[in-house]
Amino acid sequence: TQLLEQSPQFLSIQEGENLTVYCNSSSVFSSLQWYRQEPGEGPVLLVTVVTGGEVKKLKRLTFQFGDARKDSSLHITAAQPGDTGLYLCAGGSWGGSNYKLTFGKGTLLTVNP
Amino acid sequence: NAGVTQTPKFQVLKTGQSMTLQCAQDMNHEYMSWYRQDPGMGLRLIHYSVGAGITDQGEVPNGYNVSRSTTEDFPLRLLSAAPSQTSVYFCASRHRVGSNYEQYFGPGTRLTVT
Repeated sequence: TQLLEQSPQFLSIQEGENLTVYCNSSSVFSSLQWYRQEPGEGPVLLVTVVTGGEVKKLKRLTFQFGDARKDSSLHITAAQPGDTGLYLCAGGSWGGSNYKLTFGKGTLLTVNP
Repeated sequence: NAGVTQTPKFQVLKTGQSMTLQCAQDMNHEYMSWYRQDPGMGLRLIHYSVGAGITDQGEVPNGYNVSRSTTEDFPLRLLSAAPSQTSVYFCASRHRVGSNYEQYFGPGTRLTVT
């Protein structure tokens, strides 16, 4: 069974601070996706990384896929209250002809003004 | 595109009642799925479909039925609601991008069973 562990589970910071959240597994994934979920809404896909060591930037958000494709990190620079939400990582893997997405349980981020 | 839509947004049922959660997508995605999200448990896959007429079970299928008569629609039926089915339900569809898939979620249905 593939598992994705996210840390920390909860994070409360002040506006303007930097933060990093982590997504770790003992399994290798063909892709790693990050989603943000706001209260009362469904998860929204932010980014997909597919190559070991890949780094993608989305404004103040930086996503990195580990060299061995077993882990990923999300770094937010100068966090804003609008960044508040549940951040989910999901690992994609193939089992025969089936593609499976394994979700972590998420990091709940609160950015206080 | 409206993306993935779900109705209703909220629902309260009594134990033993049945109901259908509706899901539709207008992106012509072959793959659709249903998840439930519970505190501390994350997203858990209930059922999925790889195309019209084809469905299969996920990790928590008991108490739920699905069918897929068209590419666009993928309803989830609760046969006899139980308090353990109190949860937030998300429908999703996905499409292939290179050798992987990207998934899109609906806004969710919050279900309470009393």
